[in-house]
Amino acid sequence: KAGVTQTPRYLIKTRGQQVTLSCSPISGHRSVSWYQQTPGQGLQFLFEYFSETQRNKGNFPGRFSGRQFSNSRSEMNVSTLELGDSALYLCASTMLPGQGVREQFFGPGTRLTVL
Amino acid sequence: GESVGLHLPTLSVQEGDNSIINCAYSNSASDYFIWYKQESGKGPQFIIDIRSNMDKRQGQRVTVLLNKTVKHLSLQIAATQPGDSAVYFCAENILSGTYKYIFGTGTRLKVLA
Repeated sequence: KAGVTQTPRYLIKTRGQQVTLSCSPISGHRSVSWYQQTPGQGLQFLFEYFSETQRNKGNFPGRFSGRQFSNSRSEMNVSTLELGDSALYLCASTMLPGQGVREQFFGPGTRLTVL
Repeated sequence: GESVGLHLPTLSVQEGDNSIINCAYSNSASDYFIWYKQESGKGPQFIIDIRSNMDKRQGQRVTVLLNKTVKHLSLQIAATQPGDSAVYFCAENILSGTYKYIFGTGTRLKVLA
């Protein structure tokens, strides 16, 4: 079974631009979460989607947004990029909630560098 | 690598010895925990999980211990190998709640040959 895939793996943008990152969860997984990882802050939760609905959101500004499609694939968007947005963005998927299965599996991440 | 913070605590262990990595979790209501391993340039890899109705769970070469009284988790790695060198994170969650996990800051494990 294929794992969580994320594209692109690496991205370089300049301040003020916007970026869209993509995540395909493990087949059969319907919950997708996004995290930002930086040396200073560690792993920080961005948001979580299930059935095309955002169910949880972390403490990030409105420049960070996301969506989920009917096939459970998810995208996140960051608008008006700032230098501090440089980070590794990780996507994680979990099987159908409510069945007591909470194992969360991560993708390899997208390394975003903002110049 | 991307996963490493400049100030992560580091545990150095001789190859073949056992490693013990500790984690203090934050929410007394958390009832599900995962240990992850993150190698440089990769996403976190699921190692083992434990629910709060257990105080010990064993996997292949790894054991997780949970002490709810003091909100403490530990990951024991038996016969540590060079391939175990990585950053290890614990994550906590509430099973009846959301899928929002809270992650610890991580510990870097260095295996000495």
